[in-house]
Amino acid sequence: QSVVTQEPSVTVSPGGTVTLTCASSTGAVTRDYYPNWFQQIPGQAPRALIYSTDNKHSWTPARFSGSLLGGKAALTLSGVQPEDEAEYYCLLYFGGAGVFGGGTELTVL
Amino acid sequence: QVQLQESGPGLVKPSQTLSLTCTVSGGSISSRSDYWSWIRQPAGKGLEWIGRVHTSGSTNYNPSLKSRVIISLDTSKNQFSLKLSSVTAADTAVYYCTTISGGVWGQGTLVTVSS
Repeated sequence: QSVVTQEPSVTVSPGGTVTLTCASSTGAVTRDYYPNWFQQIPGQAPRALIYSTDNKHSWTPARFSGSLLGGKAALTLSGVQPEDEAEYYCLLYFGGAGVFGGGTELTVL
Repeated sequence: QVQLQESGPGLVKPSQTLSLTCTVSGGSISSRSDYWSWIRQPAGKGLEWIGRVHTSGSTNYNPSLKSRVIISLDTSKNQFSLKLSSVTAADTAVYYCTTISGGVWGQGTLVTVSS
């Protein structure tokens, strides 16, 4: 089964910019993998942020953006807020079957 | 805005079949071309994609669970369901239903596998 890899943990200062990445064991991530990004605060259900690489939901704050970067899917947070401290998961599709990454714990410090 | 709500037994015995239903409100499950998905999360661990059913009825499953999973639609009840057979303690998790592309998630339901 394909493996999706994310940074285990990342720390960023308030107001700063950070990019989280999502890599595939099969090679470069492209739009055909339909990358999705989710935010999860402990004790809560995941919240969808980005779908199909770079599309935002109506509730996604403008400071979040999705892209492809260096063969990976990427989630960039610009102007990080304290409330952005959470676990972030990416999801890639491989021939119809989805695989989540292990998640990135984002600390705002 | 579509809303999703999971329902089903919170306790299932080992070797039995876990059955959950996701009720869709605020819209017809058959009126939009979309995938209706199940995701699970064991306590303290990450998300695991279980599978999905398209409005057309076609399905995709996690290869590691494929032999035990059935996901289906019931358009007359505006619901979709998950059946996971031969469960073990490793299937204990919070189960979520969602429309991934639509970004809508249920609140999740904890299912414990124990005798």
